[in-house]
This record gives sequence, C-alpha cells and structure tokens, in this order.
Amino acid sequence: AQSVTQLGSHVSVSEGALVLLRCNYSSSVPPYLFWYVQYPNQGLQLLLKYTSAATLVKGINGFEAEFKKSETSFHLTKPSAHMSDAAEYFCAVINTGFQKLVFGTGTRLLVSP
Amino acid sequence: DTAVSQTPKYLVTQMGNDKSIKCEQNLGHDTMYWYKQDSKKFLKIMFSYNNKELIINETVPNRFSPKSPDKAHLNLHINSLELGDSAVYFCASRPTDRGGTEAFFGQGTRLTVV
Repeated sequence: AQSVTQLGSHVSVSEGALVLLRCNYSSSVPPYLFWYVQYPNQGLQLLLKYTSAATLVKGINGFEAEFKKSETSFHLTKPSAHMSDAAEYFCAVINTGFQKLVFGTGTRLLVSP
Repeated sequence: DTAVSQTPKYLVTQMGNDKSIKCEQNLGHDTMYWYKQDSKKFLKIMFSYNNKELIINETVPNRFSPKSPDKAHLNLHINSLELGDSAVYFCASRPTDRGGTEAFFGQGTRLTVV
C-alpha cells in the first residue's frame, strides 16, 4: 500500500532562510504525490503535485518540490522563508485505484524574525 | 463560489448527543470523503463515497454514519457523541478517474464534545 513519511514534526527557520520539508514515499508503482498547506483554523490548500510530467514541480507561494525516484523522496523547498509561510504542511499520496489520499503526519513550519 | 462547503464550522455539544455535519461540493466531482484531524494534526480518512456509493469505511465506529443523498452532498451523522470524538472533520472531493487530480477540501468543522 502507498504511504508517505514526513521527517520532522517541527521545522524552525529564520525569515529569509531556506525552507526544506522532507517527504519520503513508499509505492510499488509510480506515485502521484501532493503537498498541502494548512494555515491555522483553515482547510487544506494544494501547494503543488507530482503527476510524472516533470520531476521538478513548482507550486504556489514560491514553493517547489523535486521527485527523486532513486531516493523515493519528494521534498518541499522554498529559497527564502517568509513569516506568512508559518503553517502545517502535509505530504500525501494517492493509493492504487485512485480511491483516497493518504497523508503523512505533517510538519509544522515555524518562521522567526 | 466556495468549491467544498461544510456546515457548521464550529459545533459544541454534550456527551451522548447526536449531531450532523453537512457537506456540499459544486465541482462536479464523483468522489467525496470525510477525514478526521486529531489534536496532533494527523489526518485520517474515515469514509469515501463514489457516486453515492460507499467505497471506503476505515474501521470507524458505527456511531458514525455517512449519507450521500446525491453525488454533490455527503453528510456525516454521529450518534451518542463521546469525548474522543472531539476533532476537526474535513470534507473533501475529487474526480475518481484521474489519479493526478488533487482533492479539494472544505474549511473543516471543529467538533468539541464536553
């Protein structure tokens, strides 16, 4: 069964620093992968997705992620953190049969001035 | 127009009560979901409906009963509420036929059982 693992429940960065949020997947078939962001007291918003068209995927708000099959990874990055990036970030994978999204445990990004 | 809308946004109730959460999507998707997010922010799927038919039931207590009157609506009814039911419940939808299409989420319903 497909699954994703997010390393680090909390990541702290300074404003202007590089953001790196880690996600590793487990799948026996080429996966469809997603990154979502959740701001406090809000629903989930799609940041970007990997659908095998390109390994480097650009999303909203300056985020991007690179699919690396050899490392089974889909890490999320942003060159320069902004205070407004503070939120919970979730990596997710579609299961075989496309029936459901399976989420990682989430990573809280904290941005300090 | 809101794509996936849930009501109510907040729900505070006493143990033992019965409550419902409603969800509607105007995206024309044929699959709808209920997810539960616990206090540690972990998101777990509860149910999935495809064209009004239940296709996923992830070992949820039978006090939880989803109902889909049509493919644009998926409601969640909870009987005999318990303290442990306190969580944020998210409704979502997506088209089933395309694996690369993301799910769209509602704003969530924060249920507090006292």
